[in-house]
Amino acid sequence: GESVGLHLPTLSVQEGDNSIINCAYSNSASDYFIWYKQESGKGPQFIIDIRSNMDKRQGQRVTVLLNKTVKHLSLQIAATQPGDSAVYFCAENIGGFKTIFGAGTRLFVKA
Amino acid sequence: EAQVTQNPRYLITVTGKKLTVTCSQNMNHEYMSWYRQDPGLGLRQIYYSMNVEVTDKGDVPEGYKVSRKEKRNFPLILESPSPNQTSLYFCASSLGTGRNEQYFGPGTRLTVT
Repeated sequence: GESVGLHLPTLSVQEGDNSIINCAYSNSASDYFIWYKQESGKGPQFIIDIRSNMDKRQGQRVTVLLNKTVKHLSLQIAATQPGDSAVYFCAENIGGFKTIFGAGTRLFVKA
Repeated sequence: EAQVTQNPRYLITVTGKKLTVTCSQNMNHEYMSWYRQDPGLGLRQIYYSMNVEVTDKGDVPEGYKVSRKEKRNFPLILESPSPNQTSLYFCASSLGTGRNEQYFGPGTRLTVT
């Protein structure tokens, strides 16, 4: 069935290191992918997105990579900071209609 | 300030007592959506709306109703709440279709006893 999952439920990194959060998706019809950050007590907040006709997109300190061959998505955060500690969700959108979220990865940043 | 608002933020109710959670956005967005968030399950889409009077089911629509009579509002209705609907609910909106950044509300924590 349709699913978006994450390889690791928690990730702990040292401040200043790079973080990589992975995500697997199963729906070949998905054409838009998004990463969201959710801090405690708040709604998800958009980080970066990528369309299926791209394989890489960069933002400020973040990069999203899309590998459609193996249906894999990753979020790279450069020079991770304490403020990056949160739960990160990948999500896929199918045809502009349904949105499917992964279960989330909790990122801990050690000072 | 561009935002999505939800009311109430917290609600404790009893089984079978109808309730409505309101959602409003001030960004003139066409697409609106409701999600529920449960531990270990991430966010699951309940219903979405592409525009006024256009709604469709997400992955977990059972036990919920929605309406979209105005562009800015997208209320979530639980006609007969049950304990398995205890959850954290988020409303979101985006410009155009769901292929754009979604802006989320602050969430509504619902407990059904």
